[in-house]
Amino acid sequence: DAGVIQSPRHEVTEMGQEVTLRCKPISGHNSLFWYRQTMMRGLELLIYFNNNVPIDDSGMPEDRFSAKMPNASFSTLKIQPSEPRDSAVYFCASSWSYRSSGANVLTFGAGSRLTVL
Amino acid sequence: RKEVEQDPGPFNVPEGATVAFNCTYSNSASQSFFWYRQDCRKEPKLLMSVYSSGNEDGRFTAQLNRASQYISLLIRDSKLSDSATYLCVVKAGGFKTIFGAGTRLFVKA
Repeated sequence: DAGVIQSPRHEVTEMGQEVTLRCKPISGHNSLFWYRQTMMRGLELLIYFNNNVPIDDSGMPEDRFSAKMPNASFSTLKIQPSEPRDSAVYFCASSWSYRSSGANVLTFGAGSRLTVL
Repeated sequence: RKEVEQDPGPFNVPEGATVAFNCTYSNSASQSFFWYRQDCRKEPKLLMSVYSSGNEDGRFTAQLNRASQYISLLIRDSKLSDSATYLCVVKAGGFKTIFGAGTRLFVKA
């Protein structure tokens, strides 16, 4: 299994530009999570999907952030317009989740390191 | 109050030492608990799940105290390779999985 695949691994962009981060979850997993990690705030849960449906996006910091999961094998996190304070490592994770008990163990991708100048 | 709180450390210990980390959580309805390990500039990876009766995996022992709402991780006979950040993870209900900020461990030769 190739694991959770994220792209790009590194992105440097200028303030105001649109950023799109991509994630391919593990085949067969039905839940997908987007996290953001900074030194100051640690790992923050942004949004999660179950069976391609967004369940909770209360962690999305602002309207500048949006996430989609058009099918079971692909998700995007978009920031438009980007700001310097968005600089962080963005992790995608997937899991097999049971309807009755929710998410099981998460498997993370290698992360996308974003720098906004 | 944060949903999951950990002492950030760092803990600096010599090889062979025993070290313990604690983590507290605020939601009494939390269902599942885990410890993850994160190496520098890498993604978090599952270290072990935490069961109600406590569980052991080699040199690692995890305990859960629901009454006091904390979990612990004990590492015996520390190795240089144990140097990492240890993340306490709580599934608050349904799918929501919350990570603590992590405790940094440095094991010295």
